[in-house]
Amino acid sequence: KAGVTQTPRYLIKTRGQQVTLSCSPISGHRSVSWYQQTPGQGLQFLFEYFSETQRNKGNFPGRFSGRQFSNSRSEMNVSTLELGDSALYLCASSLVGLQDSGNTIYFGEGSWLTVV
Amino acid sequence: DQQVKQNSPSLSVQEGRISILNCDYTNSMFDYFLWYKKYPAEGPTFLISISSIKDKNEDGRFTVFLNKSAKHLSLHIVPSQPGDSAVYFCAAREVQGNLIFGKGTKLSVKP
Repeated sequence: KAGVTQTPRYLIKTRGQQVTLSCSPISGHRSVSWYQQTPGQGLQFLFEYFSETQRNKGNFPGRFSGRQFSNSRSEMNVSTLELGDSALYLCASSLVGLQDSGNTIYFGEGSWLTVV
Repeated sequence: DQQVKQNSPSLSVQEGRISILNCDYTNSMFDYFLWYKKYPAEGPTFLISISSIKDKNEDGRFTVFLNKSAKHLSLHIVPSQPGDSAVYFCAAREVQGNLIFGKGTKLSVKP
């Protein structure tokens, strides 16, 4: 079955702009979570969406937001981009929520964002 | 302050020998631990996990050990193969479901 699909794979934005990234989870998966990977901080949890509701949020400013649609596809948005937002943004899907025991999550290949 | 630490940014091992990747954590409320492997330009791939109520889980060449009293877990790969060369992330799950990742250890397995 198809894996987690993220679009776009690469993009360049200017400081102050906003960006929207898209994630299509594995068919049947209801949970989508987002992560930011940077060389200095490693992989950091952004938020999780389950059945169109945000369940969990990591320690990121309000400029980072997301949503999930009824088909479980998710988007994340970053407004007023800063140079430090340059990172690999990874989406992951899971059958049930992250809270549930024994669950594993499956990552997409990520979207590389460069802010100039 | 980092709750999950992988203190070795890199590790080099000879093919056929054992690779040991280490991870320390500070939060005793983590209930589940996972290891992910990541190749360049790809997303992390789940490798193996362990519940906090266990002390060992084995899957083929991969074994994860958990020492709760020391808040330490390790991933053993034996025998190591060149295809194992990748960045390995340790992750711990909080009760509410958040995954907290370490910064990763880059493993190089030399033929």
